[in-house]
Amino acid sequence: AQSVTQLDSHVSVSEGTPVLLRCNYSSSYSPSLFWYVQHPNKGLQLLLKYTSAATLVKGINGFEAEFKKSETSFHLTKPSAHMSDAAEYFCVVSANFNKFYFGSGTKLNVKP
Amino acid sequence: GAVVSQHPSRVICKSGTSVKIECRSLDFQATTMFWYRQFPKQSLMLMATSNEGSKATYEQGVEKDKFLINHASLTLSTLTVTSAHPEDSSFYICSHQAGVQETQYFGPGTRLLVL
Repeated sequence: AQSVTQLDSHVSVSEGTPVLLRCNYSSSYSPSLFWYVQHPNKGLQLLLKYTSAATLVKGINGFEAEFKKSETSFHLTKPSAHMSDAAEYFCVVSANFNKFYFGSGTKLNVKP
Repeated sequence: GAVVSQHPSRVICKSGTSVKIECRSLDFQATTMFWYRQFPKQSLMLMATSNEGSKATYEQGVEKDKFLINHASLTLSTLTVTSAHPEDSSFYICSHQAGVQETQYFGPGTRLLVL
């Protein structure tokens, strides 16, 4: 079975400071992992994905995530937050690229 | 990235009526299409998966006679909520997948309010 736990429902950072959004997963198989971002009234946009290649994955807009099998984690980071990063972020696990299991989401607030 | 559109973006209907939501992939052909539902302050939950040329597969707890899914073509899928009730009010999101083990691309969602 697959599941995802996003440890923080809300994260607030100041503009220019680092961002850390935490995600832990559970999977019976070698998982594929994704981070999606959802801006208000917009569709889900793929930030990055891990598919058993390099464990450090670089995505769009300066985001990256590191797959740590020993910790069953896939945390999303960004060195310097921008106001436009304010949105809701979803961590997703999939065992076969078909069924996606979404985390509960983390709302990122960026303060000026 | 690939673009998926949904129509309408927002719909209000009376209890007992049916509502159709369309989902189109604009620049690729989708062999597999998915429909999700997102209740307020909750995450997306998969409702059903539709593969080209076969009937939709529904997740446990999702009534197939209430949520009719049609994989009309490689670029169009529709979800019809039949005899809608207030508890069906939700945010419905589709996604299209170009092939096996390909990324899913999501539509912007349709907010349904049943009065």
